[in-house]
Order: sequence, then structure tokens, then C-alpha cells
Amino acid sequence: GDSVTQMEGPVTLSEEAFLTINCTYTATGYPSLFWYVQYPGEGLQLLLKATKADDKGSNKGFEATYRKETTSFHLEKGSVQVSDSAVYFCALSSSNFGNEKLTFGTGTRLTIIP
Amino acid sequence: GAVVSQHPSRVICKSGTSVKIECRSLDFQATTMFWYRQFPKQSLMLMATSNEGSKATYEQGVEKDKFLINHASLTLSTLTVTSAHPEDSSFYICSAVDSLNEKLFFGSGTQLSVL
Repeated sequence: GDSVTQMEGPVTLSEEAFLTINCTYTATGYPSLFWYVQYPGEGLQLLLKATKADDKGSNKGFEATYRKETTSFHLEKGSVQVSDSAVYFCALSSSNFGNEKLTFGTGTRLTIIP
Repeated sequence: GAVVSQHPSRVICKSGTSVKIECRSLDFQATTMFWYRQFPKQSLMLMATSNEGSKATYEQGVEKDKFLINHASLTLSTLTVTSAHPEDSSFYICSAVDSLNEKLFFGSGTQLSVL
């Protein structure tokens, strides 16, 4: 079945550091890939997505590229801020909107220190 | 933006009791809602898909008689954990699909602890 393997946390970085959170997947067919973020006390929010190979999703300075050859969708940000502290989830779905069944990774807790 | 309200955010109960978790879409109608749970250090796993006015579809390995799902209106789905046991202690989270634009929104989750 489908699965998502995500870098284990927690991850602690200093402000303005470079961030990478690794995500690889196993799936049949051609899934869409997502990164969700959960800020304290809030629901998961869609951060970015990519629906086909070589697509790059981007939002709020975060980027991830759909790499079919390595089955990866690593999340990156060039300079993190304290406000980026949250839990990040990598996920895949057969739907472009992600409004069908989502398969999630374990989540990575990110803490940014000033 | 669209909001999904999930209540309660945290609940502690005794073994053998039942617990109800509510998931409401506050400013949109949701024909479809999903229920997930996450055990420590594991992934969020889909438990069931809830469709308004019909029976929920449960994932393999999820006991439908233990996890009762009711989606009686377009803005409310409930998950009842019946005769809860310590192994049911987990983080439960719902999501709802906006029927108008097909976008997906999540609740903030419920941490259930069964003593």
C-alpha cells in the first residue's frame, strides 16, 4: 500500500538557518504530494502541493519539488523564522485537491530559536 | 478562511466509558468528512470516511461497532469511542471537504486519554 516516510524530529534550528525536512514516498500510480503545517492549537493547514513529477510547490518561502526518480518531496526554506515553529506533515493522495484519502508521514516538530 | 471546529480538544475518561468527539464545519457545507488518529511516533492514519446521510466507510482494521460515526447534517460529524480502553488513547483529528470548492480543511484535533 501507499506510505510516506518522513524525517523524524524534533528539529531545532536557529533563526535564519536553512531548513530541510526529508520526505520519501511509496505509491502506486501517480499521486499528488502535499506538505501540511500545524501551528500550536490549530488544525492542519495546507502549506504547498505538487500534482505531477518535477512540479515545484511553494508558499511562505517554503519549497518542495516532486521528484519521481527518487520518490521524494523534501521541504526546504532558505531562512527560517521563529514563526515557522510548528509540526510539518508530508502526505500523498490520489486526488489533486487532497480531498480524498490522505496518507501521512509521522510529522516533524520544528522549533526555531531566536 | 474556512474553519473546522473540533471539540473537545482534550478529554480524559475512565476505561469502559464512551466519549463523543464533534467536528463542525463553521462556514461551509461538507458532504464528506474524514476521521484520522495518530498514536505516538506513528503517522496520522485514516480511520473512516464519513458521508452525510449515509453510513461511514471504515478502513481495514478499524472496528465500526467501537468507533461510531454519525454525519447527520452537512456541517456536523461525530465520532463516538464506545467502551474506551487505554489502547484507544490517541490523537484524533477530523477533516472536512468544502462541497463548493472541494478544498479540505482540518480540525485542531482531540487528545484522548483513557485511564
